[in-house]
Amino acid sequence: NAGVTQTPKFRILKIGQSMTLQCTQDMNHNYMYWYRQDPGMGLKLIYYSVGAGITDKGEVPNGYNVSRSTTEDFPLRLELAAPSQTSVYFCASSLNGNEQFFGPGTRLTVL
Amino acid sequence: KNQVEQSPQSLIILEGKNCTLQCNYTVSPFSNLRWYKQDTGRGPVSLTIMTFSENTKSNGRYTATLDADTKQSSLHITASQLSDSASYICVVSANNFNKFYFGSGTKLNVKP
Repeated sequence: NAGVTQTPKFRILKIGQSMTLQCTQDMNHNYMYWYRQDPGMGLKLIYYSVGAGITDKGEVPNGYNVSRSTTEDFPLRLELAAPSQTSVYFCASSLNGNEQFFGPGTRLTVL
Repeated sequence: KNQVEQSPQSLIILEGKNCTLQCNYTVSPFSNLRWYKQDTGRGPVSLTIMTFSENTKSNGRYTATLDADTKQSSLHITASQLSDSASYICVVSANNFNKFYFGSGTKLNVKP
Protein backbone atom coordinates (compact mmCIF):
# COMPACT_ATOMS: atom_id res chain seq x y z
CA ASN A 1 0.00 0.00 0.00
CA ALA A 2 1.24 3.46 -0.89
CA GLY A 3 -0.91 4.97 1.88
CA VAL A 4 -1.75 8.63 1.35
CA THR A 5 -0.05 10.33 -1.57
CA GLN A 6 -0.04 14.03 -2.40
CA THR A 7 1.03 15.96 -5.47
CA PRO A 8 2.77 18.22 -6.09
CA LYS A 9 5.42 18.33 -3.36
CA PHE A 10 6.17 21.99 -3.95
CA ARG A 11 4.47 24.80 -5.87
CA ILE A 12 4.91 28.52 -6.29
CA LEU A 13 1.85 30.48 -7.38
CA LYS A 14 1.29 34.09 -8.31
CA ILE A 15 -1.48 36.02 -6.58
CA GLY A 16 -4.80 35.30 -8.27
CA GLN A 17 -3.75 32.04 -9.89
CA SER A 18 -5.61 28.83 -9.23
CA MET A 19 -4.46 25.27 -8.64
CA THR A 20 -5.57 21.89 -7.40
CA LEU A 21 -3.71 19.93 -4.75
CA GLN A 22 -4.18 16.22 -5.31
CA CYS A 23 -4.66 13.61 -2.58
CA THR A 24 -5.16 9.88 -3.07
CA GLN A 25 -5.37 7.03 -0.57
CA ASP A 26 -5.38 3.31 -1.31
CA MET A 27 -6.51 2.07 2.11
CA ASN A 28 -10.26 2.22 1.34
CA HIS A 29 -10.72 4.76 4.15
CA ASN A 30 -14.03 6.53 4.35
CA TYR A 31 -12.82 9.69 6.07
CA MET A 32 -10.46 12.15 4.42
CA TYR A 33 -9.20 15.53 5.63
CA TRP A 34 -7.28 18.56 4.44
CA TYR A 35 -5.14 20.53 6.87
CA ARG A 36 -2.81 23.48 6.59
CA GLN A 37 0.20 23.99 8.82
CA ASP A 38 1.70 27.43 9.16
CA PRO A 39 5.24 27.76 10.58
CA GLY A 40 5.36 27.04 14.31
CA MET A 41 1.62 26.42 14.45
CA GLY A 42 -0.63 23.41 14.85
CA LEU A 43 -2.55 21.86 11.98
CA LYS A 44 -5.83 23.54 11.12
CA LEU A 45 -8.68 21.66 9.43
CA ILE A 46 -9.77 23.12 6.07
CA TYR A 47 -12.31 20.58 4.81
CA TYR A 48 -13.21 16.99 5.52
CA SER A 49 -15.24 14.21 3.94
CA VAL A 50 -16.96 11.24 5.55
CA GLY A 51 -17.45 9.39 2.29
CA ALA A 52 -17.77 9.75 -1.48
CA GLY A 53 -20.12 12.57 -2.39
CA ILE A 54 -20.04 14.14 1.10
CA THR A 55 -17.88 17.08 2.13
CA ASP A 56 -18.02 19.64 4.91
CA LYS A 57 -16.19 22.72 6.10
CA GLY A 58 -13.59 22.66 8.81
CA GLU A 59 -12.07 25.47 10.81
CA VAL A 60 -10.53 27.52 7.96
CA PRO A 61 -12.41 26.80 4.68
CA ASN A 62 -12.43 30.28 3.12
CA GLY A 63 -10.62 30.42 -0.21
CA TYR A 64 -10.74 26.66 -0.76
CA ASN A 65 -13.05 24.09 -2.33
CA VAL A 66 -13.07 20.31 -2.32
CA SER A 67 -14.82 17.43 -4.02
CA ARG A 68 -15.06 13.71 -3.28
CA SER A 69 -16.28 11.87 -6.34
CA THR A 70 -14.52 8.62 -5.36
CA THR A 71 -13.42 6.99 -2.10
CA GLU A 72 -9.78 7.27 -3.12
CA ASP A 73 -9.46 10.91 -4.19
CA PHE A 74 -9.98 14.16 -2.30
CA PRO A 75 -8.60 17.14 -4.28
CA LEU A 76 -8.31 20.62 -2.75
CA ARG A 77 -8.90 23.59 -5.05
CA LEU A 78 -7.54 27.12 -4.60
CA GLU A 79 -9.41 29.47 -6.91
CA LEU A 80 -7.74 32.85 -6.33
CA ALA A 81 -4.45 32.32 -4.56
CA ALA A 82 -3.53 34.85 -1.89
CA PRO A 83 -0.29 35.29 0.10
CA SER A 84 -2.20 34.21 3.23
CA GLN A 85 -2.51 30.75 1.68
CA THR A 86 1.23 30.23 1.79
CA SER A 87 1.52 27.14 3.95
CA VAL A 88 2.17 23.42 4.02
CA TYR A 89 -0.91 21.40 3.17
CA PHE A 90 -1.47 17.90 4.54
CA CYS A 91 -4.07 15.41 3.44
CA ALA A 92 -5.07 12.63 5.84
CA SER A 93 -7.38 9.65 5.81
CA SER A 94 -8.99 7.53 8.51
CA LEU A 95 -10.86 4.26 8.50
CA ASN A 96 -13.25 4.98 11.33
CA GLY A 97 -12.59 8.58 12.37
CA ASN A 98 -9.97 7.62 14.95
CA GLU A 99 -6.35 7.25 13.86
CA GLN A 100 -5.40 9.44 10.93
CA PHE A 101 -2.78 8.63 8.32
CA PHE A 102 -1.09 11.64 6.79
CA GLY A 103 0.41 12.27 3.38
CA PRO A 104 3.87 13.82 2.93
CA GLY A 105 2.49 17.33 2.40
CA THR A 106 2.51 20.00 -0.31
CA ARG A 107 4.54 23.16 0.32
CA LEU A 108 2.77 26.09 -1.35
CA THR A 109 4.14 29.61 -1.71
CA VAL A 110 1.99 32.44 -3.08
CA LEU A 111 3.91 35.49 -4.25
CA LYS B 1 -12.74 26.80 24.49
CA ASN B 2 -11.23 23.53 23.29
CA GLN B 3 -7.46 23.86 23.30
CA VAL B 4 -4.32 21.75 23.37
CA GLU B 5 -1.16 23.26 24.85
CA GLN B 6 2.24 21.64 24.60
CA SER B 7 5.45 22.34 26.45
CA PRO B 8 8.24 22.97 26.05
CA GLN B 9 8.11 24.59 22.63
CA SER B 10 11.57 23.24 21.87
CA LEU B 11 14.09 21.02 23.58
CA ILE B 12 17.71 20.06 23.02
CA ILE B 13 19.12 16.91 24.64
CA LEU B 14 22.19 14.75 24.25
CA GLU B 15 22.00 11.37 22.58
CA GLY B 16 21.26 8.63 25.09
CA LYS B 17 19.43 10.90 27.53
CA ASN B 18 15.76 10.67 28.44
CA CYS B 19 13.19 13.43 28.06
CA THR B 20 9.53 14.11 28.77
CA LEU B 21 7.17 16.23 26.71
CA GLN B 22 3.95 17.65 28.14
CA CYS B 23 0.45 18.12 26.78
CA ASN B 24 -2.42 19.85 28.58
CA TYR B 25 -5.87 19.98 27.05
CA THR B 26 -9.28 21.44 27.69
CA VAL B 27 -11.15 19.42 25.06
CA SER B 28 -14.55 18.19 26.10
CA PRO B 29 -16.13 15.71 25.71
CA PHE B 30 -12.91 13.75 25.47
CA SER B 31 -12.63 10.80 23.11
CA ASN B 32 -8.95 9.96 22.73
CA LEU B 33 -5.48 11.46 22.70
CA ARG B 34 -2.71 10.72 20.25
CA TRP B 35 0.93 11.55 20.04
CA TYR B 36 2.38 12.00 16.56
CA LYS B 37 5.99 12.31 15.43
CA GLN B 38 6.61 14.68 12.52
CA ASP B 39 9.99 14.58 10.83
CA THR B 40 11.06 17.72 9.01
CA GLY B 41 9.33 17.94 5.65
CA ARG B 42 7.12 14.90 6.31
CA GLY B 43 3.58 14.26 7.45
CA PRO B 44 2.84 13.31 11.07
CA VAL B 45 3.06 9.62 11.98
CA SER B 46 1.11 8.15 14.89
CA LEU B 47 3.07 6.96 17.93
CA THR B 48 0.36 6.15 20.48
CA ILE B 49 -3.40 6.43 20.89
CA MET B 50 -5.05 6.45 24.32
CA THR B 51 -8.68 6.45 25.33
CA PHE B 52 -10.22 7.71 28.55
CA SER B 53 -9.63 4.48 30.45
CA GLU B 54 -5.95 4.08 29.55
CA ASN B 55 -3.21 5.51 31.80
CA THR B 56 -0.10 4.36 29.96
CA LYS B 57 0.79 3.13 26.51
CA SER B 58 4.20 2.25 25.15
CA ASN B 59 5.63 2.02 21.67
CA GLY B 60 9.25 0.93 21.88
CA ARG B 61 11.22 3.70 23.57
CA TYR B 62 8.16 5.97 23.61
CA THR B 63 5.81 5.86 26.61
CA ALA B 64 2.72 8.03 26.81
CA THR B 65 0.74 8.66 29.97
CA LEU B 66 -2.71 10.12 30.38
CA ASP B 67 -4.40 11.64 33.43
CA ALA B 68 -7.98 12.25 32.34
CA ASP B 69 -8.83 13.92 35.65
CA THR B 70 -6.23 16.66 35.31
CA LYS B 71 -6.42 16.60 31.49
CA GLN B 72 -2.71 16.10 31.12
CA SER B 73 -0.60 13.77 29.03
CA SER B 74 3.11 13.23 28.72
CA LEU B 75 5.36 11.51 26.22
CA HIS B 76 8.54 10.04 27.67
CA ILE B 77 11.40 9.15 25.35
CA THR B 78 13.98 6.77 26.74
CA ALA B 79 17.60 6.53 25.62
CA SER B 80 17.18 9.12 22.88
CA GLN B 81 18.65 8.60 19.43
CA LEU B 82 19.59 11.08 16.73
CA SER B 83 16.59 9.85 14.73
CA ASP B 84 14.28 11.07 17.49
CA SER B 85 14.96 14.63 16.33
CA ALA B 86 11.52 15.74 15.14
CA SER B 87 8.41 17.62 16.22
CA TYR B 88 6.06 15.78 18.54
CA ILE B 89 2.41 16.71 18.26
CA CYS B 90 -0.35 16.03 20.77
CA VAL B 91 -3.82 15.64 19.21
CA VAL B 92 -7.02 15.37 21.22
CA SER B 93 -10.25 14.12 19.69
CA ALA B 94 -13.69 15.11 20.90
CA ASN B 95 -16.55 12.66 20.73
CA ASN B 96 -17.39 14.01 17.30
CA PHE B 97 -14.98 12.09 15.09
CA ASN B 98 -14.36 15.10 12.92
CA LYS B 99 -13.14 17.25 15.78
CA PHE B 100 -9.39 16.92 16.18
CA TYR B 101 -7.56 19.52 18.22
CA PHE B 102 -3.85 19.84 17.49
CA GLY B 103 -1.16 21.19 19.74
CA SER B 104 1.54 23.30 18.10
CA GLY B 105 4.13 20.66 18.90
CA THR B 106 7.43 20.32 20.72
CA LYS B 107 10.51 20.45 18.54
CA LEU B 108 13.09 18.00 19.85
CA ASN B 109 16.71 18.16 18.79
CA VAL B 110 18.94 15.25 19.83
CA LYS B 111 22.63 16.10 19.59
CA PRO B 112 25.53 13.62 19.46
